[in-house]
Amino acid sequence: GESVGLHLPTLSVQEGDNSIINCAYSNSASDYFIWYKQESGKGPQFIIDIRSNMDKRQGQRVTVLLNKTVKHLSLQIAATQPGDSAVYFCAESGYNKLIFGAGTRLAVHP
Amino acid sequence: EAGVVQSPRYKIIEKKQPVAFWCNPISGHNTLYWYRQNLGQGPELLIRYENEEAVDDSQLPKDRFSAERLKGVDSTLKIQPAELGDSAVYLCASSLGGTGANVLTFGAGSRLTVL
Repeated sequence: GESVGLHLPTLSVQEGDNSIINCAYSNSASDYFIWYKQESGKGPQFIIDIRSNMDKRQGQRVTVLLNKTVKHLSLQIAATQPGDSAVYFCAESGYNKLIFGAGTRLAVHP
Repeated sequence: EAGVVQSPRYKIIEKKQPVAFWCNPISGHNTLYWYRQNLGQGPELLIRYENEEAVDDSQLPKDRFSAERLKGVDSTLKIQPAELGDSAVYLCASSLGGTGANVLTFGAGSRLTVL
């Protein structure tokens, strides 16, 4: 079936550096994507979303890039902080339904 | 706003015992979801409700799992009997619903350990 996956299971960065988390999706018909952050013991928390008619969307310290040609999604976090340490999931959204990838753990070191 | 509220946060039971989880969605959110999250994996949808109607339960193991959303607000998810492989975090989420894409808001989850 259709699936959403991630390239790297773990990413370690130094505090202050930029982080890039990647995600591949397989359903070319998907038209909406969301990045979630999940801290230990908590539910996933919405970070940013993007529709398929866009290539880039920026939020506060975060940017999502969408490359529909190669079905690739990335989350960029600027000036990574210790509080950014968490597992990040990309999710493909159809009509009221989310399909999650396996997640990437981001570890921020001082 | 309280967000999506789930209880209990943690539950430890022996296999073959029953267990139930409760969810109170965000006020006004018509769509409610139950997801299961195994360790180290992303959440997987079990069931989706539009108001009180289960509109997608294709991934719900119906031999032992059941869910209800009476009156279209709170929801319960039950497992009877529980198996070792049911150990996971059960997440409830809600969204406004309707057509188009919706952002889901998740609760903190209920962590189940089956011994």
